[in-house]
Amino acid sequence: DAKTTQPTSMDCAEGRAANLPCNHSTISGNEYVYWYRQIHSQGPQYIIHGLKNNETNEMASLIITEDRKSSTLILPHATLRDTAVYYCIVRVGPGNQGGKLIFGQGTELSVKP
Amino acid sequence: GAVVSQHPSWVICKSGTSVKIECRSLDFQATTMFWYRQFPKQSLMLMATSNEGSKATYEQGVEKDKFLINHASLTLSTLTVTSAHPEDSSFYICSAMDRLGGYTFGSGTRLTVV
Repeated sequence: DAKTTQPTSMDCAEGRAANLPCNHSTISGNEYVYWYRQIHSQGPQYIIHGLKNNETNEMASLIITEDRKSSTLILPHATLRDTAVYYCIVRVGPGNQGGKLIFGQGTELSVKP
Repeated sequence: GAVVSQHPSWVICKSGTSVKIECRSLDFQATTMFWYRQFPKQSLMLMATSNEGSKATYEQGVEKDKFLINHASLTLSTLTVTSAHPEDSSFYICSAMDRLGGYTFGSGTRLTVV
């Protein structure tokens, strides 16, 4: 019952910014958007999350539209090691009550030399 | 940062036997843990939510008698695949929620049933 829609795959040139879009048109007012990535045969790695304000950390930036119906994850300078499947997730249920992450199909990002 | 250790990283077992997978939060206490399963070329599928000191909550379609979950302490949850069959072969991943609401994932367990 994933509540997000992402492109199946994307390519990005090494050193350029990778912009990964996500639609979550049915998001509720108190639901957070999380981004994780998974490199083959490993556990998902946390990237960033947000509610309504744009967020930035050492890995990426998260831009959430004002109506909160979509967001974009930005990797400012993609490297070959950023090749992975990126998942945009809307948390189901509040965090303090064991809210769970339901994964959609994700976007397979290929960073090319 | 928060670290979740999952053991074993891979296991091969005979059909009909049971396999136990452990998930430990190393530097934080986790009231809630989650168990996922992932088949090749597919996304993660949530199997159940594990709560310390109470029964796990299973997602629709997941057999609770086949996938036994125990969360006896604030740092350990276990998943036991009972009477495993080849169709249970998969990548099993756990996740733990820390006190700040973050979700840290283990490195996964590759189960092969022969």
